[in-house]
Amino acid sequence: DGGITQSPKYLFRKEGQNVTLSCEQNLNHDAMYWYRQDPGQGLRLIYYSQIVNDFQKGDIAEGYSVSREKKESFPLTVTSAQKNPTAFYLCASSIWGTRDSDTQYFGPGTRLTVL
Amino acid sequence: QKEVEQNSGPLSVPEGAIASLNCTYSDRGSQSFFWYRQYSGKSPELIMFIYSNGDKEDGRFTAQLNKASQYVSLLIRDSQPSDSATYLCAVNGGETSGSRLTFGEGTQLTVNP
Repeated sequence: DGGITQSPKYLFRKEGQNVTLSCEQNLNHDAMYWYRQDPGQGLRLIYYSQIVNDFQKGDIAEGYSVSREKKESFPLTVTSAQKNPTAFYLCASSIWGTRDSDTQYFGPGTRLTVL
Repeated sequence: QKEVEQNSGPLSVPEGAIASLNCTYSDRGSQSFFWYRQYSGKSPELIMFIYSNGDKEDGRFTAQLNKASQYVSLLIRDSQPSDSATYLCAVNGGETSGSRLTFGEGTQLTVNP
């Protein structure tokens, strides 16, 4: 089964704690992305990575960090510096270098709640 | 001005009708345009993409693109209750943005039986 997996589905965190969200894909896609979605809002880009060991900040990177040590994996850490981390986090991936590289496919998401 | 704007909705249509969803974008360099469907509590799923001016049809869905007017739309024919969802328009940011997509805030569609 090819696809994108995210874990956990639901995550609860106390204020002041760092937490890491997992994203794995077996689509052999080069590029991976992290988005945040707040209720009634569109998706906002946090970080993206086009190749292993390289990543770029998106529009709302403050308070987040990522790594890309393997092509298949792109974990996101929500740090205590993120002021309002409660949101729905979505991971996506796409191929790279062709016209189809714009087409992004999404994982099922992780819903993070800060208590 | 927002980079990608959609009808604020919610949009309500009767079963069997045509639902029309609209999206405008600000970056004239944008090359690729996408429509995603998102059911409540779920992640977005790709419905269609369009690159060229004109219409593109896939089953009950038709995407329409007019680059001169910076406008892209999605028509859903013979709307079904299962089409009730939020529809997200996404636009590639053009040459300066690589494959980054900018999303609109979405239009919530309800199809009434």
